[in-house]
Amino acid sequence: EIVLTQSPATLSVSPGERATLSCRASQSVTSNLAWYQQKPGQAPRLLIYGASTRATGIPARFSGSGSGTEFTLTISSLQSEDFAVYYCQRYNTWPPMGFGPGTKVDIK
Amino acid sequence: EVQLVESGGGLVQPGGSLRLSCAASGFTFSGYWMHWVRQVPGKGLLWVSLINGDGSSTSYADSVKGRFTISRDNAKNTLYLQMNNLRAEDTAVYYCARDYYGSGDQWGQGTLVTVSS
Repeated sequence: EIVLTQSPATLSVSPGERATLSCRASQSVTSNLAWYQQKPGQAPRLLIYGASTRATGIPARFSGSGSGTEFTLTISSLQSEDFAVYYCQRYNTWPPMGFGPGTKVDIK
Repeated sequence: EVQLVESGGGLVQPGGSLRLSCAASGFTFSGYWMHWVRQVPGKGLLWVSLINGDGSSTSYADSVKGRFTISRDNAKNTLYLQMNNLRAEDTAVYYCARDYYGSGDQWGQGTLVTVSS
C-alpha cells in the first residue's frame, strides 16, 4: 500500500502570508493526488485533483503542483477562512482512497 | 445543488448493528461511484468502502471486510452501509462521498457512530 506523509504537521502563518504544504508518497502515484480542506465540524472539501487542477469554485489562491512522489499545496495569501486542516489523498491504487495524516494551518 | 445527507448513526453496543443511509439529490445518482469514509473525531480520514454506479461491484477496507456491506438503491437515490458486529474501534463520523476520478468531490455532513457498552 502506498503511504502518504505530510509536512509539517502544523504550520503557523499570519493572514496574508504564503503557506506551502508538502505531501510525499512512498511510491509514485503519478498525478493521482487530491487535496482537501477540513474545518472543525465540517466535511472535507475538495480543493485540487489531478495534483494541480482546482475543483469547481475553489479560489485561485489555492494551487497544487508535483508528480510522482512529491507534491505541494500552496495558498498564496492566507485568508481568515483558510485556517483549517489540509489532507492529501492518492487514488487509482489499492485501497481506492488513501489519505495523508493532515497538516493543520493555524494563525501565527 | 448537489446534496448528500447521511443518517442512521447513533449509539450501539459492541456486537450490534446499524444501517447508515446517504440520500443524494441534485445529480444523476446512478452515474456515480460512491464511497464511505470515516473519521475518528480529532483524527484523520480513513476509506471504508466503494460501490460502482449500478451496484454490481463493491470493495472494502480490510478492517471492515466481512462485517460491513455497501449497497445502493438508485430508484431512491440512496446509498447504504450495513454495519454488523460493530467494535469499539468502529466509532467514528461516517461520511458518504461522491467519486470524481478517484477523489471525492461532494461529501455529506457525516453521521456519528458510537460503539460502546
